[in-house]
Amino acid sequence: GENVEQHPSTLSVQEGDSAVIKCTYSDSASNYFPWYKQELGKGPQLIIDIRSNVGEKKDQRIAVTLNKTAKHFSLHITETQPEDSAVYFCADSPGYALNFGKGTSLLVTP
Amino acid sequence: DAGVIQSPRHEVTEMGQEVTLRCKPISGHNSLFWYRQTMMRGLELLIYFNNNVPIDDSGMPEDRFSAKMPNASFSTLKIQPSEPRDSAVYFCASKRGQENTEAFFGQGTRLTVV
Repeated sequence: GENVEQHPSTLSVQEGDSAVIKCTYSDSASNYFPWYKQELGKGPQLIIDIRSNVGEKKDQRIAVTLNKTAKHFSLHITETQPEDSAVYFCADSPGYALNFGKGTSLLVTP
Repeated sequence: DAGVIQSPRHEVTEMGQEVTLRCKPISGHNSLFWYRQTMMRGLELLIYFNNNVPIDDSGMPEDRFSAKMPNASFSTLKIQPSEPRDSAVYFCASKRGQENTEAFFGQGTRLTVV
């Protein structure tokens, strides 16, 4: 599939701070944008998703924003906790499959 | 539901040997995917099945790789012969429907070819 660019590749924050991860996509046909969290030794797990008819979505400490004109979307985690430490992947879905970004390794230090 | 079940969790094999990875999707899901994860290339889609039929295998690296889905509850990914560059974590994922729905991933199979 076409590329999904994800930045940064690593992110270190102190507990309680916010973390922001940004992604850009190129396929205009994409209309579904999920975010997955992968903990060590496990498979990716969906944490939040957004569809192209919505600009922002929140779920407790997690929020995602989408700008279809600019073709970018972002994940915001507020009040970070050590258990948020993991690798986070964004993806787009122009059709049936998911095209993943390269991932962001988030470390939350106490 | 037990989720997507993959076996084995770890596989170490010698170059040239045949390797078979197995996947049981979530009951009721009619879409199944095989992904490969490496540090260099991230998560790559290898093949997609819908209703047990391979729809897109353009991500399969070469003829050494083959995948089957004989029924709605079982799929295999086979590498024959295996090479050291095939070392990676292989994930199976399933979902209900075709578009805009959550894909559920298994725990993965870590393959090491020596």
